[in-house]
Amino acid sequence: DTEVTQTPKHLVMGMTNKKSLKCEQHMGHRAMYWYKQKAKKPPELMFVYSYEKLSINESVPSRFSPECPNSSLLNLHLHALQPEDSALYLCASRPARPSNTEAFFGQGTRLTVV
Amino acid sequence: AQSVTQLGSHVSVSEGALVLLRCNYSSSVPPYLFWYVQYPNQGLQLLLKYTSAATLVKGINGFEAEFKKSETSFHLTKPSAHMSDAAEYFCAVSGEAGGTSYGKLTFGQGTILTVHP
Repeated sequence: DTEVTQTPKHLVMGMTNKKSLKCEQHMGHRAMYWYKQKAKKPPELMFVYSYEKLSINESVPSRFSPECPNSSLLNLHLHALQPEDSALYLCASRPARPSNTEAFFGQGTRLTVV
Repeated sequence: AQSVTQLGSHVSVSEGALVLLRCNYSSSVPPYLFWYVQYPNQGLQLLLKYTSAATLVKGINGFEAEFKKSETSFHLTKPSAHMSDAAEYFCAVSGEAGGTSYGKLTFGQGTILTVHP
């Protein structure tokens, strides 16, 4: 199984809503990532979890709250988002070692904030 | 800090023609380099990766790339374009997964490949 599964595929939420994005992998990868991708732009790193601990937060606003409950699951909790947060949110995973392994990406969640 | 630069945000070729997508990197340490492809509204799929084992790397769908340290380049090529190759291509660099960057990827700006019949 070399899949990273993201749910939901599409999400429309109001600015006062609370929602969560889910990411799951069963490859035994201990590094997991959230990226945000705006239209016609490359993915930008938001968070990195290594061995279930938050290791990098790229100065992301607190309205985005990541969580890694176990080694297979990564969540992104959303609250009070702004329309400019509309984007494709990508989850990725890779082994924490060795370093020459690639990251596997999910299909993404297309988020629209209204 | 590591970075990659992709020359040309759009490349257009005819079906059957050579595909050349350019990527230059900047890194103070030996880099790990990757090419990913993204189809509309989908995630990223790995085409190939450079991990210092060989300078000429072959990937999926007939793509290959050559690592040239003297030119700090990792250009992607395919001898004969197919209509199904139309997509956006990203070059990316990462550091050590066990290091302080935790293996995060830094992407170039992307190149949209259009293939004409």
